[in-house]
Amino acid sequence: AQSVAQPEDQVNVAEGNPLTVKCTYSVSGNPYLFWYVQYPNRGLQFLLKYITGDNLVKGSYGFEAEFNKSQTSFHLKKPSALVSDSALYFCAVREVPTGRRALTFGSGTRLQVQP
Amino acid sequence: DARVTQTPRHKVTEMGQEVTMRCQPILGHNTVFWYRQTMMQGLELLAYFRNRAPLDDSGMPKDRFSAEMPDATLATLKIQPSEPRDSAVYFCASGLVQGTGHSDMFLNTEAFFGQGTRLTVV
Repeated sequence: AQSVAQPEDQVNVAEGNPLTVKCTYSVSGNPYLFWYVQYPNRGLQFLLKYITGDNLVKGSYGFEAEFNKSQTSFHLKKPSALVSDSALYFCAVREVPTGRRALTFGSGTRLQVQP
Repeated sequence: DARVTQTPRHKVTEMGQEVTMRCQPILGHNTVFWYRQTMMQGLELLAYFRNRAPLDDSGMPKDRFSAEMPDATLATLKIQPSEPRDSAVYFCASGLVQGTGHSDMFLNTEAFFGQGTRLTVV
């Protein structure tokens, strides 16, 4: 079965500082990995995905994530946080090729960027 | 700007009433997902359609929930009868699956989410 864990309910960071939102996954085979962001009263917006290739994936709004197979992690990072980055972030996984067809989401991490 | 459209955005209903939520997927997408979001359970997959056929509804309580796709432009999620524990935000998402076969080996595309229907059952 596929699963994903986001160990931090909330991450606080000062504006201008680098941020990291952690995600680890569990699959039997190879993973497809995704990050989504949710702003208040909005649906989820796609940020980036890892399918294959380079372990460092760049996405929207200056975010990037690093796939680490040995640590089964896919942490989300940004070099310099903005107050507008404050939102709820979800990591998601799908196992290839025989896992569940739809994405399995983590519990979410609330990012709070202080001015 | 293509987007997934969900209606209504908000719904308050009394316990026992029927609730129907609608979703218009992005034109050309062949997969539709229904997710439910609550504080306690996070995001749970309720149902998944491909080419209008239900492929996975294992997350959906069968006795009261039903999901259909009458045509390629409309997906519905119905609760009958509704209960207070159904209160949640229900999200529809659509995507484009590439590839063929039962194993869906190429389901690697991102899903595009609607803004959700906030359901309150009192």
